[in-house]
Amino acid sequence: KQEVTQIPAALSVPEGENLVLNCSFTDSAIYNLQWFRQDPGKGLTSLLLIQSSQREQTSGRLNASLDKSSGRSTLYIAASQPGDSATYLCAVRPMNYGGSQGNLIFGKGTKLSVKP
Amino acid sequence: NAGVTQTPKFRVLKTGQSMTLLCAQDMNHEYMYWYRQDPGMGLRLIHYSVGEGTTAKGEVPDGYNVSRLKKQNFLLGLESAAPSQTSVYFCASSYGRGVEQYFGPGTRLTVT
Repeated sequence: KQEVTQIPAALSVPEGENLVLNCSFTDSAIYNLQWFRQDPGKGLTSLLLIQSSQREQTSGRLNASLDKSSGRSTLYIAASQPGDSATYLCAVRPMNYGGSQGNLIFGKGTKLSVKP
Repeated sequence: NAGVTQTPKFRVLKTGQSMTLLCAQDMNHEYMYWYRQDPGMGLRLIHYSVGEGTTAKGEVPDGYNVSRLKKQNFLLGLESAAPSQTSVYFCASSYGRGVEQYFGPGTRLTVT
């Protein structure tokens, strides 16, 4: 069974720091991996989607990498700002997951706090 | 273009009551999903639909029913609510299987 783990569960950094959020998954047979942002009391906003054939994706100050063979992804945030404070979720779309035809499997998230 | 909307935003039910959560999307997406989010558990898929008139079970389908009578709407029903169904429910949609999912703002449900 595919499992997704995100470490650390919470992270606090001063404004301006570059930081890395980690995501690991147990089965490398995935279609893609997606990073989301969730603000308190809000829904999820998609940040980046990496297909299994890709190594990384970039959007502004965000860079996500994927090492499928080792079951790892990282989300790099450059020059962090207080507005980046949120919970960041990682999700994989497995190729085989029971009867759910490869629907998203989520990690529990990393709660990021960027202090001014 | 409103994206994915959910109604209601909040609801309190007594054990045994029934209710329906409505999800609507205006992006002409084929796929729609219902998730629940619980502290310490992450998001888990309840049911999903790959097109109008279709539904399928996800990871945690027990106690829920769904219908997709119109392409833009996906309804989640609780026939007899239980305290274990206290959660935040999210709807999502995508135009295909291997592409980005777009999420609604969520419905916070409390069952007493």
